[in-house]
Amino acid sequence: GAGVSQSPRYKVAKRGQDVALRCDPISGHVSLFWYQQALGQGPEFLTYFQNEAQLDKSGLPSDRFFAERPEGSVSTLKIQRTQQEDSAVYLCASSLSGSPGNEQFFGPGTRLTVL
Amino acid sequence: AQKITQTQPGMFVQEKEAVTLDCTYDTSDPSYGLFWYKQPSSGEMIFLIYQGSYDQQNATEGRYSLNFQKARKSANLVISASQLGDSAMYFCAMREEGFQKLVFGTGTRLLVSP
Repeated sequence: GAGVSQSPRYKVAKRGQDVALRCDPISGHVSLFWYQQALGQGPEFLTYFQNEAQLDKSGLPSDRFFAERPEGSVSTLKIQRTQQEDSAVYLCASSLSGSPGNEQFFGPGTRLTVL
Repeated sequence: AQKITQTQPGMFVQEKEAVTLDCTYDTSDPSYGLFWYKQPSSGEMIFLIYQGSYDQQNATEGRYSLNFQKARKSANLVISASQLGDSAMYFCAMREEGFQKLVFGTGTRLLVSP
């Protein structure tokens, strides 16, 4: 079956521009996660959805970051007024449920470069 | 607070040999899960293996096994019979009961040589 897909795969933005990153989770997966991975680092949690409800947004670095999942499937991560420090790979993951043993399946990521 | 430590920035192994990638963790929660992911140069995180804190036996998945030492708070990944395709970044991660997010270590780059 189809895995997690993300688009675009690459995005170059000028500082100050707004960007929107899309994630299509695996069909039927209730939980959806966004992570930010800086160069040479492990992924860091940004936010988590269970269906359409955003249950944890403790990792969002500033109010310029906003995520939504209005119908409980596709999710969009929006970054307003991008800064150079926002340059990173943004990974989306989904899992069947929130139970501890359920592994998260990751998409290929969107590499964002802010000039 | 959850914390994962991977002290080996890079590891080298010859094809067909076994290799151990180290991972230690810190948590005060008695219920948690430990995960290993592989990230090839393409960037996608690939799930390898899972160990629950209450699991009595070490997890195994094909050539991957997890050497879980709860008292030492370590969860090392053992890859047997290394293959060239195993060359990648490997990340250890943890999730505590009641939290959904994964907390990752900084990763270990494994290079398998012919």
